[in-house]
Amino acid sequence: EVQLVETGGGLVQPGRSLKLSCVASGFTFNNYWMSWTRQAPGKGLEWVASITNSGGSTYYPDSVKGRFTISRDNAQNTLYLQMNSLRSEDTATYYCTRSNGGSSFDYWGQGVMVTVSS
Amino acid sequence: DIVLTQSPALAVSLGQRATISCKTNQNVDYYGNSYMHWYQQKPGQQPKLLIYLASNLASGIPARFSGRGSGTDFTLTIDPVEADDTATYYCQQSRNLPWTFGGGTKLELK
Repeated sequence: EVQLVETGGGLVQPGRSLKLSCVASGFTFNNYWMSWTRQAPGKGLEWVASITNSGGSTYYPDSVKGRFTISRDNAQNTLYLQMNSLRSEDTATYYCTRSNGGSSFDYWGQGVMVTVSS
Repeated sequence: DIVLTQSPALAVSLGQRATISCKTNQNVDYYGNSYMHWYQQKPGQQPKLLIYLASNLASGIPARFSGRGSGTDFTLTIDPVEADDTATYYCQQSRNLPWTFGGGTKLELK
């Protein structure tokens, strides 16, 4: 059974940093691209970052480029999201997702809440 | 960026057909595939993939769900609608970065 378990969320002040982790199990982690997608309270979904299966390439939308860094440790089956210079608009539930089938997101974690507020 | 437009809400009766539309401002087809996907999200839960590449049923999804379309016009159909289908449905394109989602369609029962 595929499982994605996120940790690391919480309350953080604007301008500070936070690092999310996602431990994957039930599949061969290093065979898949992985991604982070977020959802602000009461709002829709926004893709945040993706990383190739080897970790050699990463992709971001302009809204987080230069502030967020996605990375992975294939030996530990773990995906990370380092978030710097956090803003109030980064407040959201962050989901770890597996990319498959034409870059759809075929499995999602339960999500972790990040609140950016003073 | 590719913009995906969905109607905010749809109300249907139990046992009837629900058709949810998603229109894009750019073609999302590429080499014979349409890079459009559909998700279901129930309150308090993570999204679930229903349909990938416009018409392929994801693993474990009942055949009541189907997708069709190409180019810039896509639909998700649920037939027949069951009570458990009340949720918000999102389309997503992966033709071009940044990958983008529609605003979601909330399906309610009449």
